[in-house]
Amino acid sequence: GIQVEQSPPDLILQEGANSTLRCNFSDSVNNLQWFHQNPWGQLINLFYIPSGTKQNGRLSATTVATERYSLLYISSSQTTDSGVYFCAVSHYGGATNKLIFGTGTLLAVQP
Amino acid sequence: DGGITQSPKYLFRKEGQNVTLSCEQNLNHDAMYWYRQDPGQGLRLIYYSQIVNDFQKGDIAEGYSVSREKKESFPLTVTSAQKNPTAFYLCAVGGYEQYFGPGTRLTVT
Repeated sequence: GIQVEQSPPDLILQEGANSTLRCNFSDSVNNLQWFHQNPWGQLINLFYIPSGTKQNGRLSATTVATERYSLLYISSSQTTDSGVYFCAVSHYGGATNKLIFGTGTLLAVQP
Repeated sequence: DGGITQSPKYLFRKEGQNVTLSCEQNLNHDAMYWYRQDPGQGLRLIYYSQIVNDFQKGDIAEGYSVSREKKESFPLTVTSAQKNPTAFYLCAVGGYEQYFGPGTRLTVT
């Protein structure tokens, strides 16, 4: 089946720093979402982005489907950005709603 | 109050007992999903339902069962056949874009 790899696995930032998280996938996809899991376990939708670029405040994301990767940019990081960031995809030709998750990037933003 | 509710937040059971986790939604989505998350891991799909009275196995369905008698509800039963039931269970709704409930942490001893 399709493989989803996220990097880096862990990241420590000082408040105010910028970061880039990467998601590589091994086959064509028809769906890609980025989530933030807060320390209480809640998964928060960040972006639905099977292709192209989107921005929402300090966060932006770009998916280059032909090259099988997506990037999540966090600018001017805040302590509330801490948590785990997941990329999830569904395989092109399969059910659009069968998401496969990566193992996540654990982000810690220090004051 | 709108959204996805999962109850209870924490659940403790003895080995050998079946346990049912609740997931309710008032967002009017046809499709609902159950995922399992183990510590330090991503989520894995257990079962999903695209319409009332229909559901399909996900990647790790063994030891679990579901029903979908109402659009608003998609309960998950963790049976005694599930070898490692202790985990964080998340329910989701949606089509192209999925939205998640707050989760239930199940501990079986």
